[in-house]
Amino acid sequence: DAKTTQPNSMESNEEEPVHLPCNHSTISGTDYIHWYRQLPSQGPEYVIHGLTSNVNNRMASLAIAEDRKSSTLILHRATLRDAAVYYCIRQEYGNKLVFGAGTILRVKS
Amino acid sequence: EAGVAQSPRYKIIEKRQSVAFWCNPISGHATLYWYQQILGQGPKLLIQFQNNGVVDDSQLPKDRFSAERLKGVDSTLKIQPAKLEDSAVYLCASSLEEVWGYQETQYFGPGTRLLVL
Repeated sequence: DAKTTQPNSMESNEEEPVHLPCNHSTISGTDYIHWYRQLPSQGPEYVIHGLTSNVNNRMASLAIAEDRKSSTLILHRATLRDAAVYYCIRQEYGNKLVFGAGTILRVKS
Repeated sequence: EAGVAQSPRYKIIEKRQSVAFWCNPISGHATLYWYQQILGQGPKLLIQFQNNGVVDDSQLPKDRFSAERLKGVDSTLKIQPAKLEDSAVYLCASSLEEVWGYQETQYFGPGTRLLVL
């Protein structure tokens, strides 16, 4: 049970921002939100994670709603290399990461 | 820094045969994971090691799957005998350490693609 809900697929134009939504309505106060992505024929790679406040790194930004029931991964300028499956994972305190089916992101040139 | 290494990259076997996968984690990483990823699904954790001890093997089908990490470095996952439904990508990942309550970043290898005929 992944405990998050993501759209099956999304499409974006190259050089434009992409907002990938994730719903985690049953989240508790100590649960972290992690994002990984998986490029074709590769293992998943870490993107970003957060607990309460918004987070930024060189790859992306993570915006967490005030009630923490949803979050959005933001890719500021999508490139063809960003085409991948993006996994939003809710990590319960003391438990392991549980991957769902993720969102397939397609980037058009 | 070298990443997680896995071999072989591809394997085709017939059902009831045995197969083994090898993983060498990032140097210094104490925690090692094996995942199974069936086509169209996210990875599912099979077993987690902390150094050479098993932390979690609750999802490992122990009647046919086994794994070891004898010296706390590299690891082997074995399937014996294989079934058709074992066709999947087997991913190895490692992280620096196990911190209770908090999931360290996991670094994944490229995976081994297994086809059971």
